[in-house]
Parts: sequence; C-alpha cells; structure tokens
Amino acid sequence: EDQVTQSPEALRLQEGESSSLNCSYTVSGLRGLFWYRQDPGKGPEFLFTLYSAGEEKEKERLKATLTKKESFLHITAPKPEDSATYLCAVQAALTGGGNKLTFGTGTQLKVEL
Amino acid sequence: NAGVTQTPKFQVLKTGQSMTLQCAQDMNHEYMSWYRQDPGMGLRLIHYSVGAGITDQGEVPNGYNVSRSTTEDFPLRLLSAAPSQTSVYFCASSYMGLAGGPSNEQFFGPGTRLTVL
Repeated sequence: EDQVTQSPEALRLQEGESSSLNCSYTVSGLRGLFWYRQDPGKGPEFLFTLYSAGEEKEKERLKATLTKKESFLHITAPKPEDSATYLCAVQAALTGGGNKLTFGTGTQLKVEL
Repeated sequence: NAGVTQTPKFQVLKTGQSMTLQCAQDMNHEYMSWYRQDPGMGLRLIHYSVGAGITDQGEVPNGYNVSRSTTEDFPLRLLSAAPSQTSVYFCASSYMGLAGGPSNEQFFGPGTRLTVL
C-alpha cells in the first residue's frame, strides 16, 4: 500500500526565515511525486511534479527536491503570502487506478512579519 | 478557460436525503476524479473515470455513485446521506498520459463543503 507522511504538521516562521518541509513516501514504483499548495477554503493548487531521484524544481521562493525515499520543499526567505497548507502526493507506476494520487496530510505553514 | 468548476459551494442535508455534486472541466481532460478531505486524513479518492462511459472505485466508494456520460462532466451522487459523509469534496482532472509514461498534474476544483445532520 502506498503511503505518504509529511512533517512537521505545522510550522511557524518569521518572514525571511528559511526552512524545509519533508515528505516521506513508500510506493510500488514511483511514477511521479506532486507538491500542491492549499489556501483555506480553496482547492489544492499544483506546484511541482518530480519524477526521479536527484531531480529538483524551483518556483520563486520554493524549491522541491527528490530522493528515493523522500522529498523536500525548501522555502527561501518566505513572505506572509507563502502561508498555506502544503500537500505532497505520489502516483504509483503500476497503478490500476488511472492517475490515482495518494496524499499526505499536509504541513500547515504560517509566515509572520 | 474556467478550469474545474464545482457546484454547489456549500450544502446542508438531513440524514437520508440524496443529492448530486456537480463537476465540470473545459480542458478536454480524459481523467476525472472525486476526493474527500477530512481533518487529519488527507485527500482520499472516492471514484474516478478514465474517459466517457468508464468509471471505477477509489479508496472510499461506499455511499457514492458516479457516471461519466460526457468528457466534460463527472457528477457525484450521494444516495442516502449519512453524517459520516460530512466533508469537503474536491473534483480533479488531468490528461491521462501514456501508459508507463510520466504522470500529468491534476487540476482541482474549488470544492463543495457538505454537512449532513
């Protein structure tokens, strides 16, 4: 069974204080690992897809990395508008469920002035 | 492009009532799916469809029905609502991609917040 564990559950940062969010996973062959951002009362918004160990992707203050067991979302010099819940999800290569995603429970990030 | 749209945004039902949650996408995506999101449990797959006329069960299908008569629409029906179905429901869509090939990002709708009394 595919599993995704995210840590920490919640994180409070000061503006400009860089940090990392962790996503540990077990999957029967990784087809893709996804990062989403979710604001309160809204649907998840796609950020990144990572396909293989060693891959990195960047978008503004966010950088996602991938190893064979985990992914990190690095946030450099965060701003209050980066406050959101960040979700990690995996898709197995040998899935009978179409494009089925298995999600973690998310990290709730709050960035304060 | 409107993307993925869902209606209604909020709904309150009494136990035993039935209703349909609507989902539509205008991106010509083959794959559509329904998730529910509950505190501390993450998003869980209810049903999915890989194209018009084809549907299948996800992780938590009991109490829900789906159909896919067109590429654009994928409604979710609650047959007899129960308090355990109180949740936020999200519809998502994506291109299928090639078998064994890289996966495609899924786009989510804004959600329907359902309360069953």
